[in-house]
Amino acid sequence: GAGVSQSPSNKVTEKGKDVELRCDPISGHTALYWYRQSLGQGLEFLIYFQGNSAPDKSGLPSDRFSAERTGGSVSTLTIQRTQQEDSAVYLCASSSQWRPSGGYTFGSGTRLTVV
Amino acid sequence: GESVGLHLPTLSVQEGDNSIINCAYSNSASDYFIWYKQESGKGPQFIIDIRSNMDKRQGQRVTVLLNKTVKHLSLQIAATQPGDSAVYFCAEIFTGANSKLTFGKGITLSVRP
Repeated sequence: GAGVSQSPSNKVTEKGKDVELRCDPISGHTALYWYRQSLGQGLEFLIYFQGNSAPDKSGLPSDRFSAERTGGSVSTLTIQRTQQEDSAVYLCASSSQWRPSGGYTFGSGTRLTVV
Repeated sequence: GESVGLHLPTLSVQEGDNSIINCAYSNSASDYFIWYKQESGKGPQFIIDIRSNMDKRQGQRVTVLLNKTVKHLSLQIAATQPGDSAVYFCAEIFTGANSKLTFGKGITLSVRP
C-alpha cells in the first residue's frame, strides 16, 4: 500500500479484556516495529521484526503483550487482560532495509483506552 | 542505558522567525540520527536525517547539525510557519544487528501568528 495502515484507529475496551491491534506495513518492507506512546510522552519501543529473523521482544512490558507477523507482512499486537496503564497510542512503523535511510514510515496509530 | 533527551519541553516562536530545537544523545555508537514531526492525531513524520560521518545536512527550510564531540543534535527551521506547529522528536540508532530507534521525549513547537 501507499503507507503504513493501522486498525482500528480507536479502541475502547474494558479492563481485563483482550485486544488485538493490526498493522499493514508498506509492501516490500522487511522491517516492522511497534512503539507505544503515552499522552505527552515519547515513543517507547515494544518489538521489532526483521525478515525471517527472530523478533526483538526486549521492549514488551509484560507477558500480557505479544506480537506476530504473518508471512513477513501483516503484524498483530495482542494485549491480554488489559489494564488501565495500557491506555496509550500504539504506533507501527516499517522500513525497507536493514540499515534504513529516510527513516521509518509510521502509521497513524491505534488509540487504546482501557476503562 | 542509552537515552536521547531534549533540553526544552516547549518552544514558542514568532511566525517568520527561525526555530532551533536541540537534542542530546548519550550513545556514542549511534551512527544515524533522525528528526520527526508529529502533528496531533497522526504518527511521526520523517523530516530529515543525518549520518555520523556528516556534521550538517540541509533540506527544504530545515537544517540538521550534528556535533559528535558533545553528542548534540539540532534542528533548525527557517522562516517558521504556523504549519510547523507540532511535537518534534529526535531519534538515534546504531545501524547494526537488531537496531532500533531510540526516541527522546519530544518538544512542542508553537508558532505565534
